[in-house]
Amino acid sequence: GAGVSQTPSNKVTEKGKYVELRCDPISGHTALYWYRQSLGQGPEFLIYFQGTGAADDSGLPNDRFFAVRPEGSVSTLKIQRTERGDSAVYLCASSFFGGHSSYNEQFFGPGTRLTVL
Amino acid sequence: EDQVTQSPEALRLQEGESSSLNCSYTVSGLRGLFWYRQDPGKGPEFLFTLYSAGEEKEKERLKATLTKKESFLHITAPKPEDSATYLCATRGQGAQKLVFGQGTRLTINP
Repeated sequence: GAGVSQTPSNKVTEKGKYVELRCDPISGHTALYWYRQSLGQGPEFLIYFQGTGAADDSGLPNDRFFAVRPEGSVSTLKIQRTERGDSAVYLCASSFFGGHSSYNEQFFGPGTRLTVL
Repeated sequence: EDQVTQSPEALRLQEGESSSLNCSYTVSGLRGLFWYRQDPGKGPEFLFTLYSAGEEKEKERLKATLTKKESFLHITAPKPEDSATYLCATRGQGAQKLVFGQGTRLTINP
């Protein structure tokens, strides 16, 4: 079946602007994750959804970052008043079940490369 | 705080030259040690999950092993198409997030 998809693949914006990044998880996956990856580094966790609710948002760097998943499928990561330091690849992943007792693997999308000028 | 450290940062091998990549970790209540492969401009591709010390998993030329403090990704007789960045990550007790190392950039020369 189809994997995780993310749009846009590239986004260039100016400092101070608002951006939205979209993630379509694998069909049937209830858990969805956002990560951010800087050049030469491993991905860093941002937020995790189980269904429609954000179960762990401890990785969001500040209140300019917000994410939603209103129907338990597609998710949007929203960044307000973008700064040059927000430039990175934003990765989305999904898994079949995110329960504490499960050993589920996370499958990643191709990412959105965000560049803030 | 959970930590994952990978070594070396970069590794160049000749085709057919076997080697190992290291992933050292500290985590509260390991609930999985994950290996991913990442090609330039793409998202990480899942390879293996290991759950307990002594466990091993294999896929083609790759074999992953796990101890209580580290994991190794052994690559046997590699080919140029094995060139990629290999990422290691852990999942701790009570958490869903993965904590990643910085990756090992592997280059296989023909």
